[in-house]
Amino acid sequence: SAVISQKPSRDICQRGTSLTIQCQVDSQVTMMFWYRQQPGQSLTLIATANQGSEATYESGFVIDKFPISRPNLTFSTLTVSNMSPEDSSIYLCSVGAGTNYGYTFGSGTRLTVV
Amino acid sequence: QKEVEQNSGPLSVPEGAIASLNCTYSDRGSQSFFWYRQYSGKSPELIMSIYSNGDKEDGRFTAQLNKASQYVSLLIRDSQPSDSATYLCAVRGTGGFKTIFGAGTRLFVKA
Repeated sequence: SAVISQKPSRDICQRGTSLTIQCQVDSQVTMMFWYRQQPGQSLTLIATANQGSEATYESGFVIDKFPISRPNLTFSTLTVSNMSPEDSSIYLCSVGAGTNYGYTFGSGTRLTVV
Repeated sequence: QKEVEQNSGPLSVPEGAIASLNCTYSDRGSQSFFWYRQYSGKSPELIMSIYSNGDKEDGRFTAQLNKASQYVSLLIRDSQPSDSATYLCAVRGTGGFKTIFGAGTRLFVKA
């Protein structure tokens, strides 16, 4: 399975600022997925990052707040913009080998907004 | 109605016992089903996948799927303290990669 390097592992940010999270995969993958996991809760899909096209966002998530880049088949970034304390969460990137395969997750970014 | 439902637990079992974790889903067209294990402070890791009705065994783990009842379960035999974690049920529908996760069941295995 793919190996994902996710950075940063954690950060404490001031409200109103932005943070960019990076995920690097050791192999080419068609789709990358960005999830959010709030404390004690399950994973919520933010968006699907497609190479060469705009990301597909889930209900409740918008591009202005969570811009995503996918410049090639091994790399993606998620930016959390104009942060508020409600954005404090763990953000995870993931990839899948195909429709019938489960995901591999990055190690996560624990974000605290103060 | 939540799309993927699990009992939050905690489920506590003694070492060596069988742990039974259950999950129901709402989308009758779902095709792929997964169980992930998540240790505290870590990201989820895939432990089982199942696509057809019936049982699928992998070591101490058995996944069971009943599409008619929209029900997925995970059995862990000979439970060990190292199995203590949150187990996430995940379901994928037709025609895509989008995967919906349940809230997870916390399992404690007592030594």
